[in-house]
Amino acid sequence: QQQVKQSPQSLIVQKGGISIINCAYENTAFDYFPWYQQFPGKGPALLIAIRPDVSEKKEGRFTISFNKSAKQFSLHIMDSQPGDSATYFCAASMDSWGKLQFGAGTQVVVTP
Amino acid sequence: DAGITQSPRHKVTETGTPVTLRCHQTENHRYMYWYRQDPGHGLRLIHYSYGVKDTDKGEVSDGYSVSRSKTEDFLLTLESATSSQTSVYFCAIRYNTEAFFGQGTRLTVV
Repeated sequence: QQQVKQSPQSLIVQKGGISIINCAYENTAFDYFPWYQQFPGKGPALLIAIRPDVSEKKEGRFTISFNKSAKQFSLHIMDSQPGDSATYFCAASMDSWGKLQFGAGTQVVVTP
Repeated sequence: DAGITQSPRHKVTETGTPVTLRCHQTENHRYMYWYRQDPGHGLRLIHYSYGVKDTDKGEVSDGYSVSRSKTEDFLLTLESATSSQTSVYFCAIRYNTEAFFGQGTRLTVV
């Protein structure tokens, strides 16, 4: 079964709006939570990542919010741009081997 | 692209035939991974390697084997391809705590 649950499956947002993607996990041993961005025909690329000792991390227009007690984390894309249209994956890792458990993905479409 | 090259990029093969996908890296990274990507499942780990001749299974390893005889190459073999192995396959390397992915191989089993 999927250890990281991601929602929504897809979302449409207007240019300038905020895109919000949510992920939930069960295994409290996870200690690294990255987000990946994927364009069609390309491999996933790391966007931003957080560890559970931090509740929020911001890089440019992208922010991760982390709620350890609720076992949830989310990606906020502020001032969404058409170039942000892509599929976004959350992931979690718990061991030194770097094995990642991925969410199912969210397809984001930003309309002009 | 973190110096990762996957080959072939596209392949169509028949059920029951063996298939080998290659991942080549140029920067001497110790950890390498094979994932498959399917709609509704995200990416799932097939096998991974933590050094030459050191490999281990991931969550969806049935029907797949791997080999790593050189640091730079990590091979994924489908011994007898089945239609359920139609997927996009991604190789990844680990640098510090980050994973970097190749461009993927789209495999279709007919």
